[in-house]
This record gives sequence, structure tokens and C-alpha cells, in this order.
Amino acid sequence: AQKITQTQPGMFVQEKEAVTLDCTYDTSDPSYGLFWYKQPSSGEMIFLIYQGSYDQQNATEGRYSLNFQKARKSANLVISASQLGDSAMYFCAMREGNNAGGTSYGKLTFGQGTILTVHP
Amino acid sequence: ETGVTQTPRHLVMGMTNKKSLKCEQHLGHNAMYWYKQSAKKPLELMFVYSLEERVENNSVPSRFSPECPNSSHLFLHLHTLQPEDSALYLCASSHSGTGHRYEQYFGPGTRLTVT
Repeated sequence: AQKITQTQPGMFVQEKEAVTLDCTYDTSDPSYGLFWYKQPSSGEMIFLIYQGSYDQQNATEGRYSLNFQKARKSANLVISASQLGDSAMYFCAMREGNNAGGTSYGKLTFGQGTILTVHP
Repeated sequence: ETGVTQTPRHLVMGMTNKKSLKCEQHLGHNAMYWYKQSAKKPLELMFVYSLEERVENNSVPSRFSPECPNSSHLFLHLHTLQPEDSALYLCASSHSGTGHRYEQYFGPGTRLTVT
């Protein structure tokens, strides 16, 4: 069974500094995808960044980058130049492929989340 | 409208009521999902529809009944709920089929309170 572990219930960072949110995963599937989502207090889950298990390079999206260490099964999110608006809950998730009637869809397993607070 | 919308945003219902949650996606996706998010718990996947066919039902009690009339719309019909069903219910959509990353795009959620 897959498992996503986020060991940091809460993190604090000073505005304009970088912060790393940890995520480790456990899977025996050779093909998988890793996602990070941001959930502000409003409740909506916002997709941030994706890393495929076969991707050679670490994913980057603006101020977000993913430190993917496949052998260690870790996929840490790095947020550079933190902003006050980055304060939110952050979830790491993993996708397993499923087949039903010949199609595939993305079933995601989520971690417990990390609450990030950015201080001015 | 763009993205994924959900209505209502807030719902308070008694244990004997019947209500429905609605989700609509404008992203051209053909897979839709219902999640439950309770306080201090990871998101729990409830149902998955792919090409309008239910492909996953994760041991959800029968008091929750999903409906997917087409690839853009998803409903969650609620009846005789329990107080422990109070939670944030999130709808999401994604592509299905091979060759996709399958990232899911979420709606804003319905905050449900069962009294």
C-alpha cells in the first residue's frame, strides 16, 4: 500500500526567506507521480507542482521547486522568497495509475499536511 | 465560469434531511472525484468517476450517493447523515486516459455541518 508522510505539522519562516517542506513516500510501483497542493484558509486545494518518477530533472514552477530524491523516496517542496500569502496548509500527494474499462485515471493519496506560517 | 465550481459553499442540515452537493468542471476533463476532509485528517477519497462510470467507491456509507450525469457534472446526494459526517467536501477533476499526469483540480469545497 502507498503511503505519504509529512513529518512537519507546522513550519514557520520569515518573509523573503526560503523554506523546505518535507515529504516521503512509499510505493513499489516503478511509475508514479508526486504532487504538491496548497490549501489556504478558504479551503480550495491549489495545484502547485508535479514530479514524475521518471523525470530526470527536479520540477520547478516559479518560486516552487521540488527536491526529488528517488533513492530516498523523498519529494520535498522548496518555496523561495516566501511571501505572506504563502501562509497555508501544504499537502504532498502521490498518484497511482488505475485501469477501469481500459482507461486510466489519477487516484491520489494525500499526506497529513504541513501548516506553513510566514512572518513579516 | 472557469475551473471547478461547487455549490453550495456552506450547508447546515439535520440528520433527517435530504440534500445534494453539486460540482461542475469547465476544464474538459473526463474524470471527477469526491473527497472528504475532516479536521486533522488527510483527505479521504470517496468516489471516482471516469468517463461517467463509477470506478471507485471507497467503503463509503450508503447515506452518501454519488451521481455523474455527464463528464462536466457531479453530484453527491446526502440523506440521514450523522454528526460525524460534518466536514469539508471537495470535488476535483482530471484527465483520464494514458499519457496524462492526472493532476487534479479542485473546487472550493462545501462546508457541511450536520446537526
